[in-house]
Amino acid sequence: DQQVKQNSPSLSVQEGRISILNCDYTNSMFDYFLWYKKYPAEGPTFLISISSIKDKNEDGRFTVFLNKSAKHLSLHIVPSQPGDSAVYFCAASGLQGGSEKLVFGKGTKLTVNP
Amino acid sequence: NAGVTQTPKFRILKIGQSMTLQCTQDMNHNYMYWYRQDPGMGLKLIYYSVGAGITDKGEVPNGYNVSRSTTEDFPLRLELAAPSQTSVYFCASSYSRSAGNTIYFGEGSWLTVV
Repeated sequence: DQQVKQNSPSLSVQEGRISILNCDYTNSMFDYFLWYKKYPAEGPTFLISISSIKDKNEDGRFTVFLNKSAKHLSLHIVPSQPGDSAVYFCAASGLQGGSEKLVFGKGTKLTVNP
Repeated sequence: NAGVTQTPKFRILKIGQSMTLQCTQDMNHNYMYWYRQDPGMGLKLIYYSVGAGITDKGEVPNGYNVSRSTTEDFPLRLELAAPSQTSVYFCASSYSRSAGNTIYFGEGSWLTVV
């Protein structure tokens, strides 16, 4: 049972355009959401996060939007750069069974073409 | 700026062999984790530790053991390697496990069991 779903395994965009990566979750107990970025042969690195009390968080070229009613969040990268090419993992955090759980999606591979 | 360091980077094991993946962090984090990532899948939590002397199972603990004798070190042991344990393993750490606390990952260990 996938609690965090990234339905697009890959996404390709042109340099300078907007990249939109989507993530859906099923568990209403999740109250914090994170995006991690992973380059080949490296560990994931934290990119941006959002609390469930907000609907938007922005950090430079990266903006995360949260729609709690739809249980959907998205990561916008504007403008996209070739160096943004990586796998992006959505993760959701919340109390489950009395302890804090962090659940990762399967990832979306973003390719930004020059 | 070492962060989370894990060794070895690559290893090939024969079925039934045992080995230990080493992990150390220099950020004085209380929480440490071991994840595995199978191709096309998200990160699955194997074991975690909330501090020296305390460990607990994650989602996929079978076939693994851990120990946490110091704050810095969190080795992962495979006693009887099986082909199903072929994966990429990531050690990680965080200051706490509360919502939104950033997890820092190591660079990964590629393990193949043949």
